[in-house]
Amino acid sequence: SQQGEEDPQALSIQEGENATMNCSYKTSINNLQWYRQNSGRGLVHLILIRSNEREKHSGRLRVTLDTSKKSSSLLITASRAADTASYFCATDRYGNKLVFGAGTILRVKS
Amino acid sequence: EPEVTQTPSHQVTQMGQEVILRCVPISNHLYFYWYRQILGQKVEFLVSFYNNEISEKSEIFDDQFSVERPDGSNFTLKIRSTKLEDSAMYFCASRDVVADPYEQYFGPGTRLTVT
Repeated sequence: SQQGEEDPQALSIQEGENATMNCSYKTSINNLQWYRQNSGRGLVHLILIRSNEREKHSGRLRVTLDTSKKSSSLLITASRAADTASYFCATDRYGNKLVFGAGTILRVKS
Repeated sequence: EPEVTQTPSHQVTQMGQEVILRCVPISNHLYFYWYRQILGQKVEFLVSFYNNEISEKSEIFDDQFSVERPDGSNFTLKIRSTKLEDSAMYFCASRDVVADPYEQYFGPGTRLTVT
């Protein structure tokens, strides 16, 4: 698999449920970031976690990072229909380019 | 809140034509990037630019591509002779030189359609 692979590829849940998306990567990193993209639109930065951090919270978002397993997870609690979007992880190795994963398409049904 | 802007939002061009995509990064940012996303695929890095020169480029960024900062505010991506496979969404991003931990701010993108 390539750097920054997410799973699942697609996730469909009911409003109010929690959504968990996972990301794996291959090389050492400086930080890992999660982005959201609504269909055909731009990238919205959600949260950044540094390589020396294990967990980070922002509102309904919780991100974990396990550098020993080279993996991260994004949890969205109490999901809303407006959370329907594609979610990408992106790794930053040297503070320069971001390497994006293939993304998880989240659909929240109301 | 300051934001990265891109123009045009949608560009349609014929194969073989030159296109210039424009970006206005956040004013105090000094690192600039171009990424592209072919429909349904992942976002791919094209090039990074700092201190008026390319700092890194991907294998996608061949001789058909060039970048320029023609003045103090704009950052452009030129494709000299477009191909059908250049059809994609192109995102510009910028970041602060001293900010840690290197958050990149993305523009809304330019959708390029090559016919």
